[in-house]
Amino acid sequence: GENVEQHPSTLSVQEGDSAVIKCTYSDSASNYFPWYKQELGKGPQLIIDIRSNVGEKKDQRIAVTLNKTAKHFSLHITETQPEDSAVYFCAASTGDSTLTFGKGTMLLVSP
Amino acid sequence: DAGVIQSPRHEVTEMGQEVTLRCKPISGHNSLFWYRQTMMRGLELLIYFNNNVPIDDSGMPEDRFSAKMPNASFSTLKIQPSEPRDSAVYFCASSRGQGGNEQYFGPGTRLTVT
Repeated sequence: GENVEQHPSTLSVQEGDSAVIKCTYSDSASNYFPWYKQELGKGPQLIIDIRSNVGEKKDQRIAVTLNKTAKHFSLHITETQPEDSAVYFCAASTGDSTLTFGKGTMLLVSP
Repeated sequence: DAGVIQSPRHEVTEMGQEVTLRCKPISGHNSLFWYRQTMMRGLELLIYFNNNVPIDDSGMPEDRFSAKMPNASFSTLKIQPSEPRDSAVYFCASSRGQGGNEQYFGPGTRLTVT
């Protein structure tokens, strides 16, 4: 089955800096890659996703890039703010299968 | 839209007791998922329903766990008998279409078994 590795497990940045979280996947048939943000005491919230027919997608301060050849994808957050502090999860699926999640990255943005 | 609704939000019970967690998916979504989240194991898929039919229950830990979806707007996850190692946050999520599409999570139920 699919295996998703996520790095780093924790990431500390200063407000205004950029943050990058990276994931690799094992199943070359995977074609859907969402990112979730989980705040303390809440359920994971979908923040952005990408499908394999595109290499990059942006939504304001967040962007996701996909390299299908290398089987890795990344989340980029620019101009980080304290409210970006949360746990971020990447996931992958083939579309017919269920999502396989990474272990998560705890992002801490210091004022 | 109210989003995915779960109840109760918190449950504290003694070992050996039966626990029932409830979920109402987003209207119009035909796939429903139950997950368990712990620090040690992260987010684990327990079971996945499509059109009220269980499609993949390979993540259900053991026979003490069971899940039902009697109609498109309601699902339950039952643990009987409960054990301390079942303590975790249980999430329900729903999506349109198959399991690999955008999933929307509920707020979760924090279960503590003493």
